[in-house]
Amino acid sequence: NAGVTQTPKFRVLKTGQSMTLLCAQDMNHEYMYWYRQDPGMGLRLIHYSVGEGTTAKGEVPDGYNVSRLKKQNFLLGLESAAPSQTSVYFCASSYSIGAGTGELFFGEGSRLTVL
Amino acid sequence: GEDVEQSLFLSVREGDSSVINCTYTDSSSTYLYWYKQEPGAGLQLLTYIFSNMDMKQDQRLTVLLNKKDKHLSLRIADTQTGDSAIYFCAEKGSGGYNKLIFGAGTRLAVHP
Repeated sequence: NAGVTQTPKFRVLKTGQSMTLLCAQDMNHEYMYWYRQDPGMGLRLIHYSVGEGTTAKGEVPDGYNVSRLKKQNFLLGLESAAPSQTSVYFCASSYSIGAGTGELFFGEGSRLTVL
Repeated sequence: GEDVEQSLFLSVREGDSSVINCTYTDSSSTYLYWYKQEPGAGLQLLTYIFSNMDMKQDQRLTVLLNKKDKHLSLRIADTQTGDSAIYFCAEKGSGGYNKLIFGAGTRLAVHP
């Protein structure tokens, strides 16, 4: 059981380049999330999705886009990378409301550096 | 707005107890969580407490919840070197959909 898988695990970009982070989960979870982790700031929610074909903005959505074309996949895109987007990105998934405690299951993270 | 605060560092001697503290702002939170992050890894749920409980014990872990003061603590008994990690406190946000609000994380260092 793979759980939540993120690719790539590491990436270096130049300012202005674009890229996509892929998240895949095999637990049939309805909800999926993208967080970024910065030193001293914990995890901040970028975007989330409550089902296939739906997306919504989190706390820090600017500069990012997302898509959820298939239930098991949640893509995070950077159209024009900026140094401020240097961070570790975590994907997570969970069961829908009413099913369990609301625990989030996390991937191992994707470390992105923007030069 | 919603906020979760915790101290950034804690250093303890192996075999001692560790206590990590957290304060939160949303009094309507139904669940409060402790996640553990080991170096180079994602977060894993360590334990959680439902808001109608004051205490929860799970082997070496004890969670205390003071709803009046909006204070949550995690006690690790007989701390081992394998407990060295970053511990995140989180509350379920009021916006639903299991969106969690995380603290900045407390880095626990266990030394011999």
